[in-house]
Amino acid sequence: DSGVTQTPKHLITATGQRVTLRCSPRSGDLSVYWYQQSLDQGLQFLIQYYNGEERAKGNILERFSAQQFPDLHSELNLSSLELGDSALYFCASSAHDPLQSIVEQFFGPGTRLTVL
Amino acid sequence: ELKVEQNPLFLSMQEGKNYTIYCNYSTTSDRLYWYRQDPGKSLESLFVLLSNGAVKQEGRLMASLDTKARLSTLHITAAVHDLSATYFCAGYAGGTSYGKLTFGQGTILTVHP
Repeated sequence: DSGVTQTPKHLITATGQRVTLRCSPRSGDLSVYWYQQSLDQGLQFLIQYYNGEERAKGNILERFSAQQFPDLHSELNLSSLELGDSALYFCASSAHDPLQSIVEQFFGPGTRLTVL
Repeated sequence: ELKVEQNPLFLSMQEGKNYTIYCNYSTTSDRLYWYRQDPGKSLESLFVLLSNGAVKQEGRLMASLDTKARLSTLHITAAVHDLSATYFCAGYAGGTSYGKLTFGQGTILTVHP
């Protein structure tokens, strides 16, 4: 158990809908990362937050957005869902700002999203 | 942009045998990570390699990093069934990439009796 929690574990929804995935980082970790894992794209970085601020963006679609709240939990919002958005979405957290020190990212259990 | 490639992508081994998974990356990577993933599960951190020549070992797994060759290896010694999983390497470009990890395609390892 990495200490990173994600809810829900599974989500089944229809095309066109909107969902919110939630992540709580390890106690004391300020950085939160979101990754998408799918069969065709592999593991891809989506976005990173550090202490409430967006720090880096990867291959994140405009239909997707995220935020990190003052209590450091993060939410990933996916809207206008398409079949191709079906994937495993992981949240990871790390202790320090990567610019300042060497960090290790610890991954949560993931949310499996199925779009029908 | 950092690109990471693993080979082989599929590895079927007999118990007791040795083998190596290779991870090549395209540009400078400040550090190199190895993760393990069991089917439908999360990623478990195995090793973080921070400098050229770094070697780390845990049980039957040993990872090394050659930054000049832009190559990391994960060596499996005397494989056992419990090592069956998917293994990912990931690079970190640093700079404006901040915390972004770039993952390889993964190597699906199956260990047979």
